Amino acid sequence: DTAVSQTPKYLVTQMGNDKSIKCEQNLGHDTMYWYKQDSKKFLKIMFSYNNKELIINETVPNRFSPKSPDKAHLNLHINSLELGDSAVYFCASSQRRYSGNTIYFGEGSWLTVV
Amino acid sequence: DQQVKQNSPSLSVQEGRISILNCDYTNSMFDYFLWYKKYPAEGPTFLISISSIKDKNEDGRFTVFLNKSAKHLSLHIVPSQPGDSAVYFCAADRDDKIIFGKGTRLHILP
Repeated sequence: DTAVSQTPKYLVTQMGNDKSIKCEQNLGHDTMYWYKQDSKKFLKIMFSYNNKELIINETVPNRFSPKSPDKAHLNLHINSLELGDSAVYFCASSQRRYSGNTIYFGEGSWLTVV
Repeated sequence: DQQVKQNSPSLSVQEGRISILNCDYTNSMFDYFLWYKKYPAEGPTFLISISSIKDKNEDGRFTVFLNKSAKHLSLHIVPSQPGDSAVYFCAADRDDKIIFGKGTRLHILP
């Protein structure tokens, strides 16, 4: 059983399209995250939700909108995709929001915008 | 603004020898440090962590050392095994946010 699962794993789409990446965790964790790994290999946090409440929103274009229908799910919707959105997006979860908690990552979603 | 730096993009080590991966950070407010390991086409997996109040944490073949005055931490793997070949990310935790370095690719040579 995959602890943090995200779909799709690979996504190729044209500029201007709207796409979603879904994420689910079966660990019973309270906190979920979206990270982006760009071409320079940096893993940067985009959003963090704790019990469906947004707690971290980094400087991310408002074309990116996370949605958390319940604490086990955190989906990422991207409007009007741009070439620069091409990256690997990782969903993750942790038991609590406080320091020292291990974050568990999904396998990543490879987004290519053409 | 790179708060967590891994200055070696890659490292090659003979199987059986010690692998030492280094990490520097700039923010003295970080209170927890973590190492993650990543294989191709997979998400990062947690390896080992250390609180800022400690200077060493050991788990099997993996030991993390923290030098707060130098704002430096290192991961030691002894002995190195072929399965250790992966990308290793150093990360620092503060205020619900974990900040990652760029990673170091470790190659274990036969």
